[in-house]
Amino acid sequence: AQTVTQSQPEMSVQEAETVTLSCTYDTSESDYYLFWYKQPPSRQMILVIRQEAYKQQNATENRFSVNFQKAAKSFSLKISDSQLGDAAMYFCAYRSAGAQKLVFGQGTRLTINP
Amino acid sequence: DTGVSQNPRHKITKRGQNVTFRCDPISEHNRLYWYRQTLGQGPEFLTYFQNEAQLEKSRLLSDRFSAERPKGSFSTLEIQRTEQGDSAMYLCASSSPSDYSPLHFGNGTRLTVT
Repeated sequence: AQTVTQSQPEMSVQEAETVTLSCTYDTSESDYYLFWYKQPPSRQMILVIRQEAYKQQNATENRFSVNFQKAAKSFSLKISDSQLGDAAMYFCAYRSAGAQKLVFGQGTRLTINP
Repeated sequence: DTGVSQNPRHKITKRGQNVTFRCDPISEHNRLYWYRQTLGQGPEFLTYFQNEAQLEKSRLLSDRFSAERPKGSFSTLEIQRTEQGDSAMYLCASSSPSDYSPLHFGNGTRLTVT
């Protein structure tokens, strides 16, 4: 079974600085998708960024980018120019190609210091 | 797009009682998912529907849990003879048919079993 590990329960960063959240996963498959979701306090979970495993190019969405290292099974999220609204729980998730189940990590709570 | 709607937002029940939650997905989404999230953890997959067909169930879903999506639109999740261990946030999500489509989550139903 696939597993996703987020080794940083909490992270904090100064506003306008850059922060990187770590995620590793375990799988024997070669075709899969990876996601980062954001869950603000008392609000719904929303997609931040996604990556297809067969694509070597790292995904980027505005201030959010990933460092996808397939051989190392690592999928970190970099947030540039951190803003107060970025404060949330961040979850890394894995999905096998052709499957529907998302496997989530334990989450990282990100605090932005003004 | 009015988003995924879940009702009720909160439910407090006594051990042994039955509870039912409702999820209304985004109207054009034919895929619907239920997840359970306990405090400080990532969501865990419970079950998945494509239209009205329940295609996958987690082993986490004991015999006391049942989910339906009778007309391929809204879904209900029922828990019979609730136990204190059932206390959690129950999240519903929907997505369009593409394998790469992200999940759109609702705000969840928080269940407390006393």
